[in-house]
Amino acid sequence: DFVMTQSPDSLTVSLGERATINCKSSQSVFYSSNNKNYLAWYQQKPGQPPKLLISWASTRESGVPDRFSGSGSGADFTLTISSLQAEDVAVYYCQQYYTTPFTFGQGTKLEIK
Amino acid sequence: EVQLVESGGGLVQPGGSLRLSCAASGFTFSSYWMHWVRQAPGQGLVWVSRINSDGSRGTYADSVKGRFTISRDNAKNTLYLQMSSLRAVDTAVYFCVRDYDGAFDVWGQGTMVTVSS
Repeated sequence: DFVMTQSPDSLTVSLGERATINCKSSQSVFYSSNNKNYLAWYQQKPGQPPKLLISWASTRESGVPDRFSGSGSGADFTLTISSLQAEDVAVYYCQQYYTTPFTFGQGTKLEIK
Repeated sequence: EVQLVESGGGLVQPGGSLRLSCAASGFTFSSYWMHWVRQAPGQGLVWVSRINSDGSRGTYADSVKGRFTISRDNAKNTLYLQMSSLRAVDTAVYFCVRDYDGAFDVWGQGTMVTVSS
C-alpha cells in the first residue's frame, strides 16, 4: 500500500501569514502516460465532511479561494495557504488516488496563533 | 444541487450486520464511480470501498474484504454498503463519496455506525 505521511501533524500560524503543509508518498503517484500526479488535498472542518480543495496535485477546485495552492510531483507535495484567514482553521489531508487502496495522510491540524 | 445523503447507521452488536444507503441527487448518478470512506471518532480518513458506474465491479480495503459488499441501484440513484461480521474497529462515521476523475469531489454528511455490546 502507498503510505502518505504529512508534516507537521499540527501547525499554528498567525492571521495573514503563510501556512505550508507537506505530504510525502512512499511511492511515486506520477503517471507518465498522462503526465499527471494522482494527488488530492482535502479540508475538513469540525463536524463537517471533507471538502476537495485541490486535485492533480495543483488544480484548484471551483470556488476554492486562490490563497490555496498545491505543488510538487512524484512523491513530494505541498499545500500552501498564502495568507491565513480565520475560516481556514481545519484539518487538512492529502490523498493518493493513483491506485487502490486509496490512502490518506494522517492529517494536519491548522490553528490560528 | 448535487447531494449525497447517507442513512442506515446505528448501534449494532459485534458480529452483527447493517446496511448503509446513500441517496444521490442533482447529478447523473449512473455516470459516476462511487466510494465509501470511513472515519473513526477523532481519527483520520480511511477508504473502504469503490464501485464502478454500472455496478459490475467492487473493490475493497483489505480490512473489510469478505465482510462488506458495495452495490448500487442506478434506477433508484442509491449506493449501498452491506456490512456483516461487524467488529468494534468498524465503529466510524461512514461517508458516501462521488468519484470525479479519481478525486473525491462530493461527500455526504456521513452516518455513524457503532459496534458495541
